[in-house]
Amino acid sequence: GAGVSQTPSNKVTEKGKYVELRCDPISGHTALYWYRQSLGQGPEFLIYFQGTGAADDSGLPNDRFFAVRPEGSVSTLKIQRTERGDSAVYLCASSLRQQETQYFGPGTRLLVL
Amino acid sequence: QKEVEQDPGPLSVPEGAIVSLNCTYSNSAFQYFMWYRQYSRKGPELLMYTYSSGNKEDGRFTAQVDKSSKYISLFIRDSQPSDSATYLCAMRLYSSASKIIFGSGTRLSIRP
Repeated sequence: GAGVSQTPSNKVTEKGKYVELRCDPISGHTALYWYRQSLGQGPEFLIYFQGTGAADDSGLPNDRFFAVRPEGSVSTLKIQRTERGDSAVYLCASSLRQQETQYFGPGTRLLVL
Repeated sequence: QKEVEQDPGPLSVPEGAIVSLNCTYSNSAFQYFMWYRQYSRKGPELLMYTYSSGNKEDGRFTAQVDKSSKYISLFIRDSQPSDSATYLCAMRLYSSASKIIFGSGTRLSIRP
């Protein structure tokens, strides 16, 4: 069956621009997570959705970062006024229910010039 | 100080060797311990999961947890070139099901 998919696979943008990153979770998975992985580091938690609502957004670094999941399936991570320090791989994961195994997508590689 | 410390490597061993990967952690509230494998340009995939001190075996892989020392290990027996990847230890608080705290990962290379 299809796993978690993320688009685009790569995104290059200029400092100050707005970007949107998309995640398609495994069908039927109610929980969805976003992580950020910098070079040489492990993934760092950003936000968790249960259904349509953000149940835990404690990992979002500042108010330039925002995520939505309007219909409880696809999610979009939005970054405003991008900075060079935002360059990283943004990973999405989904799980059938809270506390169950998280399955990761391949990530979107974001480069801010 | 990071909550989870992991030697980044790289670690290079010959095929067939036993590999030992380790992490230490500072928060005694961690209850769930995991090992993920991440191939280049892929997302992490869960290898093993345990929530008690002691050993858990799955094929060539053994996960070991020592809560008194705040130390976890992953052993790989009869290592294969296909095991070459980055291995991430990860932990979760019992009370916070959503957030996984990852180590920085150890890059492992198995030489044929």
